[in-house]
Amino acid sequence: DAGVTQSPTHLIKTRGQQVTLRCSPISGHKSVSWYQQVLGQGPQFIFQYYEKEERGRGNFPDRFSARQFPNYSSELNVNALLLGDSALYLCASSLSLGLGNEQFFGPGTRLTVL
Amino acid sequence: GQQLNQSPQSMFIQEGEDVSMNCASSSIFNTWLWYKQDPGEGPVLLIALYKAGELTSNGRLTAQFGITRKDSFLNISASIPSDVGIYFCAGGYNNNDMRFGAGTRLTVKP
Repeated sequence: DAGVTQSPTHLIKTRGQQVTLRCSPISGHKSVSWYQQVLGQGPQFIFQYYEKEERGRGNFPDRFSARQFPNYSSELNVNALLLGDSALYLCASSLSLGLGNEQFFGPGTRLTVL
Repeated sequence: GQQLNQSPQSMFIQEGEDVSMNCASSSIFNTWLWYKQDPGEGPVLLIALYKAGELTSNGRLTAQFGITRKDSFLNISASIPSDVGIYFCAGGYNNNDMRFGAGTRLTVKP
């Protein structure tokens, strides 16, 4: 079975631009979470979605937004890009919410903002 | 956001040695997860813990959920070269809003 897939794998943008990252969860998984991983640090939680509804949000500005589609895939949007947004953006999926629903990560999208 | 205190930051060991790393939080969690991340890849789940005091093994890896619910430990026995990578702990409540440590970078010398 395919794992979590993300696209694109790499992306280069300039300051002020907007970017959309995409994620397809493991088949049967209904929850998707997004994380930002800056070089040398652990992943930092951005959003969690379940059944198309936002169920959790980390400490990120409103420039970050996301949505989940009926097929459980998800998009992360970042507006007005800053140099500090350069990072590996990870998507993770889980069967459901709650105890016992471990998150499985995709390979990530490497975003570079120039 | 709040990150967990993971130590050590890096380890250089000889093949065959045992490894220990730990993670601490100021908050109580009911979920502790341990991941390994290779360069250019996403983190891969190694062990999941859901009960205080729980001790779980996955091959040569053993992890424990601290009794205080504020810490967790990962041990790797008889290390081999493919154990090289960055190990992350993650803590949370009901698998939501998982907080990650900064990682332990493991180097294994043959």
